[in-house]
Amino acid sequence: AQSVTQLDSQVPVFEEAPVELRCNYSSSVSVYLFWYVQYPNQGLQLLLKYLSGSTLVKGINGFEAEFNKSQTSFHLRKPSVHISDTAEYFCAVTSRRDDKIIFGKGTRLHILP
Amino acid sequence: EAQVTQNPRYLITVTGKKLTVTCSQNMNHEYMSWYRQDPGLGLRQIYYSMNVEVTDKGDVPEGYKVSRKEKRNFPLILESPSPNQTSLYFCASSLLGPHGELFFGEGSRLTVL
Repeated sequence: AQSVTQLDSQVPVFEEAPVELRCNYSSSVSVYLFWYVQYPNQGLQLLLKYLSGSTLVKGINGFEAEFNKSQTSFHLRKPSVHISDTAEYFCAVTSRRDDKIIFGKGTRLHILP
Repeated sequence: EAQVTQNPRYLITVTGKKLTVTCSQNMNHEYMSWYRQDPGLGLRQIYYSMNVEVTDKGDVPEGYKVSRKEKRNFPLILESPSPNQTSLYFCASSLLGPHGELFFGEGSRLTVL
């Protein structure tokens, strides 16, 4: 069975500072990994995904994530955050043989002025 | 405009009164799914559908039913709602199943008294 763990439920960071949101997964097969963002009072939207190929994945709004198979991680990073990045971020995992997708519990990103 | 539309957006009901939350997408996606979002628990998949007349249980299907008679519609049915089904519900669709980008509706906030 697959699972995903987001290690931080909340992350406060000052505006223009870098941020890393951590995600670890567990799976016995090759995985597909995603980061989704949920802005206040909205549905989720895709930030980026890893299916295969380059382990460094670039997404929208300046975010990127690195797939690390040995550490079973898919951490999300941004070099300089903006107040508009205030949102909840969800890591998710599935696999080629799977019709289900498993979401993490989410990390709330608080941008401090 | 490509979108996933859920109705109602907000609903307060009482225990045992059957209700249906509708979901419709205009992108000709084959894959559709329902999730509930609860504080501290993230998103959990309720049911999903790979195509018309094909539905399957997600991780938390108890107390819910779905049907997929047409490609564009995927209603969520609560035959006898209970207070523990008070939650924020999201419908999503995808062209490529869970491996592709999920497009989410804006959510339906349900309160069961």
